[in-house]
Amino acid sequence: QVQLVESGGGVVQPGRSLRLSCGASGFTFSDYGMHWVRQAPGKGLEWVAIIWHDGTNNYYADSVKGRFTISRDNSKNTLYLQMNSLRVEDTAVYFCARGGVLAALDIWGQGTMVTVSS
Amino acid sequence: EIVLTQSPATLSLSPGERATLSCRASQSVSTYLAWYQQNPGQAPRLLIYDASTRATGIPARFSGSGSGTDFTLTINSLEPEDFAVYYCQLRSSRPPLFTFGPGTKVDIK
Repeated sequence: QVQLVESGGGVVQPGRSLRLSCGASGFTFSDYGMHWVRQAPGKGLEWVAIIWHDGTNNYYADSVKGRFTISRDNSKNTLYLQMNSLRVEDTAVYFCARGGVLAALDIWGQGTMVTVSS
Repeated sequence: EIVLTQSPATLSLSPGERATLSCRASQSVSTYLAWYQQNPGQAPRLLIYDASTRATGIPARFSGSGSGTDFTLTINSLEPEDFAVYYCQLRSSRPPLFTFGPGTKVDIK
C-alpha cells in the first residue's frame, strides 16, 4: 500500500545538525513532488519545503531558508531534510507528504519528533 | 505573502449537526485550496482539493466550496470521528510556496 515512513528524529542541542529521512513505498516515487511539513507541540501545521519530482527545483519557508536543505534519492525512494543551525523554535513533529494533484498534499507519513534543547 | 484566516477557532456541535468552517485568504487566489482533517496524535488527512473535489475515500458528508478569497468546508451530519482539527491550505503561484491556515477545532458540545 502507499506509505511514507519518516526517521531520524531525536534530541539535539541548539546550533547542531540533524538529517531526517522519509522512505516511500507503494507508488512511483520519482513521479511526485515531495514536501516536508512540521507541527510544533500544540500548534498548527507549518509548511517547510518542497522538492520537484526530479529534484531540479526546491523551495523553502522563510523560517528555514538557508538552514535546511531538502533532497531526494529516487533510486532509493527516499526523501531527506538536512537541518543545520537548529534552533529551539525548530522543535516539532516533522511530516513528509506527497505532492498530489492541484497542489494538495495527498499522502502523509506519521511524523518524526525533533527536539532542540540544551 | 498570502495569509489564511480560519473561523471560528473552535466550533462546538453535537453529533448529527452540520458544521460550517470558513477559510479566508488575504488576497484572491486560484482554487488550489485544500482542506485537511487531523485527529490528536495522527497525521493530517486530505479531505478536499481544488476547493471542492473530495479526495479518494472521503465520505460525501464532506463538501467544499468557494473561490477568490472565501472558502467553506461543510460537514453534514457530524459523525463521532469527525470531531477533529481542520486546516485549509493553498499554494501561491510564483514562487510555489505553501501556506496552512491556523485551524478550526470541531469539538463535542
